[in-house]
Parts: sequence; C-alpha cells; structure tokens
Amino acid sequence: EPEVTQTPSHQVTQMGQEVILRCVPISNHLYFYWYRQILGQKVEFLVSFYNNEISEKSEIFDDQFSVERPDGSNFTLKIRSTKLEDSAMYFCASNQQGSAGQPQHFGDGTRLSIL
Amino acid sequence: AQSVTQLDSHVSVSEGTPVLLRCNYSSSYSPSLFWYVQHPNKGLQLLLKYTSAATLVKGINGFEAEFKKSETSFHLTKPSAHMSDAAEYFCVVSDTSGTYKYIFGTGTRLKVLA
Repeated sequence: EPEVTQTPSHQVTQMGQEVILRCVPISNHLYFYWYRQILGQKVEFLVSFYNNEISEKSEIFDDQFSVERPDGSNFTLKIRSTKLEDSAMYFCASNQQGSAGQPQHFGDGTRLSIL
Repeated sequence: AQSVTQLDSHVSVSEGTPVLLRCNYSSSYSPSLFWYVQHPNKGLQLLLKYTSAATLVKGINGFEAEFKKSETSFHLTKPSAHMSDAAEYFCVVSDTSGTYKYIFGTGTRLKVLA
C-alpha cells in the first residue's frame, strides 16, 4: 500500500538555525498538510497546500514557517529561525480530494528537537 | 466551531476483555469522524471513518465505532483486546470550513494487561 514518507525521523538543531522537514506524499494525492504535536499536547493543524499554494494556515504558522513543493514529489516545511518552543513531532499528511469524508494519510513524523 | 472530546486520557484493560474508548463531538453540520491509532514511534494509522452512511462503522483489526447523533458520540469498541492494541488512539473530526483540516482530540492511551 502506498505510504507517506518523512525524513529525517529525528532532527536536532540549535536554536536560531533553519531547519527543513521533508515529506513525500502518496503519488496521486493532490492535497497536503502539516500538523505538529508538542510533547504531551494534542495534534495541531499547521497548514494545508493545494495546487502549489497555501490553502489554509493556522495561527501557529507565522512568518517563520514556509512550505514548498519544489518538484513533483517532495513537500517541505521550513522553519527559518527555530525557537525552543518549535520542539515537537511534525506530521505530514496527504489525500486525494481534500473533501471532508476522505481520510488523510500520515507519515511516521519527524521529531524536531531544538537545543 | 467543531471539536472532539476524548473523555479518558488513559484506559487499561486485560487481554481478552472488551475495549471502550469514548469520544464526543461538537458540530453544526453532519460531521465526518475518524479514529486513528498511533503506535510508539510510528505515524497515525486510520482505523475507521464515519461519513454519514451506516451509523455502525467497522474498521481494521476488529475495531468498530457507532455514531450516535442523539448523544453526539462516536465511541470506539473492540470485543476482545490484544496485546498489540496497546497504543494511543485519536478521535478526529474533519473541519467543514476551509480545507477540511483535521481537528484532533487529546488522545487516549490504551494499556493492555497480560
């Protein structure tokens, strides 16, 4: 069964540094999402992406964050100047139609640790 | 605004006994509801979904959930727990506005005792 893949599985970065989290969605999917889960808290929506542009973003997704689909397969999340509070598990998800009833498929996540 | 509330942060059951993980939802519209499971160091795997068809939904690994509009509930059940069911379970509602982003419950950690 096709899978969403995320790399790296664990990223350790110094505060203030830039970090790029990578995702390869399922090949025929058109809608892409990033979520994060701070340790001990609920999973939160960050951003959705369709047709090479941001469709929706949360309050968390400020100017330090950006997303890109640089080629036909990768979907990246960049944090320009990381803060301690960016430490979290980041999940990428995708689905084919972006409709309410269609499930999103998730990757295994990237655990980001900011020192 | 839509939301889901998972009533138990931790549930412990003995192997072979029934599992009940509770979820209540709040929605102005007919909701699309999902249950996902997360095993340690793994991603979120879809167990089942409700999208206004049958109110009793069967999922993978013997799990099922019943949508009850009168109680605004979508509880997850399994007749007989297995050790491999130990994981974190998330109840999710799809937002009907915008891009159908997911709104997650706080999760229930299921422990299965031998």
